[in-house]
Amino acid sequence: DVKVTQSSRYLVKRTGEKVFLECVQDMDHENMFWYRQDPGLGLRLIYFSYDVKMKEKGDIPEGYSVSREKKERFSLILESASTNQTSMYLCASSLRRGGVGELFFGEGSRLTVL
Amino acid sequence: GNSVTQMEGPVTLSEEAFLTINCTYTATGYPSLFWYVQYPGEGLQLLLKATKADDKGSNKGFEATYRKETTSFHLEKGSVQVSDSAVYFCVLTGANNLFFGTGTRLTVIP
Repeated sequence: DVKVTQSSRYLVKRTGEKVFLECVQDMDHENMFWYRQDPGLGLRLIYFSYDVKMKEKGDIPEGYSVSREKKERFSLILESASTNQTSMYLCASSLRRGGVGELFFGEGSRLTVL
Repeated sequence: GNSVTQMEGPVTLSEEAFLTINCTYTATGYPSLFWYVQYPGEGLQLLLKATKADDKGSNKGFEATYRKETTSFHLEKGSVQVSDSAVYFCVLTGANNLFFGTGTRLTVIP
C-alpha cells in the first residue's frame, strides 16, 4: 500500500514563527502536492511538484514556500506564520506526471497559529 | 474554467436509507471525475472514479455515473451504514491539478 506520512498531526505556533511541515511518500511517486482544507472551501492547492527540485504554484501560494530535495520528501514552509494560516494541511502524491489520476493523501497536519 | 459544485451538507440519514449526493461540474475538454471520502481523523481516499462520458464508477456499494449531457456525477448508495459517516468530495481533473468540491458531510444514525 502507498503510504504518505506527514510529520506532525497537530502543531501550535505563534504569529511570526517559521513553520515546517514535512511529507514523505514511500511509492516512488513523481508528483507531490500540498493542499489546505478549510470548512466550506474544500481543498485548495498551495504548491505542487512533479520532480525533484521542481515546484509549481497552485491557487493560493502566498505566504508559503516548498522544498523538494529528494523524490520522496516534499516540505511546506511558512516563513512567518500568521493567524489566517490556521488550517488543516494535507499532503498528497500521485504516480503520473501532470497530476491526473489517483491522489494518495496523508492524514493531515492541523496547524493553529496564535 | 474548471469547477465543481456539490450538494451542501450536512446530510443526516438513518441506517439503510438511500443516499444521493449531487455533484455538477463545468470543465473544458474531457476531464475525469472522482469521488473521494474522508473518514473522521483520516486523510482523503479515492472512493470511485469515471474517466469518460457514460462510465459508471462503483465501490463499496457506492455508484456514480459520468453524465456529459447534464454535466453531473451524482453519488448514490442504496442502503447506507453507520460506517459510511464521512465527508465526501466530488473532484474533477485539470491539466496539472484536481478541482475539489466543498465536501458534503454525511452522518448515518443507527
